[in-house]
Amino acid sequence: RKEVEQDPGPFNVPEGATVAFNCTYSNSASQSFFWYRQDCRKEPKLLMSVYSSGNEDGRFTAQLNRASQYISLLIRDSKLSDSATYLCVVNRGYKYIFGTGTRLKVLA
Amino acid sequence: DVKVTQSSRYLVKRTGEKVFLECVQDMDHENMFWYRQDPGLGLRLIYFSYDVKMKEKGDIPEGYSVSREKKERFSLILESASTNQTSMYLCASSPRQGRSKETQYFGPGTRLLVL
Repeated sequence: RKEVEQDPGPFNVPEGATVAFNCTYSNSASQSFFWYRQDCRKEPKLLMSVYSSGNEDGRFTAQLNRASQYISLLIRDSKLSDSATYLCVVNRGYKYIFGTGTRLKVLA
Repeated sequence: DVKVTQSSRYLVKRTGEKVFLECVQDMDHENMFWYRQDPGLGLRLIYFSYDVKMKEKGDIPEGYSVSREKKERFSLILESASTNQTSMYLCASSPRQGRSKETQYFGPGTRLLVL
């Protein structure tokens, strides 16, 4: 079983839709949590950190549930430019453990 | 703006060649990492370094070595390239834990093809 699990998708949604991605992690000692975005044939880039209280950045909302070891990302009012792969990342000391990513395609 | 650069975007090498991949960061980060990314497997850590001349094995170090002679530079070496090392190689850096937000910044990647 992988330490960080994500549904690979793809999620195909129309423009303007709301879409949610989930991620589970197995190690309760995990300390920090992030969502990264990766465009095709490019490097991953930080989208947002995830805090226990939940946090929002424009159309993006991230939630963390430590008890259930579960992280989520909500994208509202999807844009064509949101099409990418979204990587869930868990940090423990020096180590960053990446999920294999969830692919999102926003359709016109 | 954080900048992590890698020496090559694309490389084609032959089996048995020695391959050097260079990574430079300009943010005075203590930690540097080398990953490879393959379809369906995600990013896998090869080696990381938390200080000059220090290195630690990651999850898949076999067939690789690293060098960190200066804080800003971290090199990945394939001693004798094999076809199963064809992959996308990503370098990343991050500040030491506790210094600031512990997140990683990635270079643009090197696509290596071993024939």
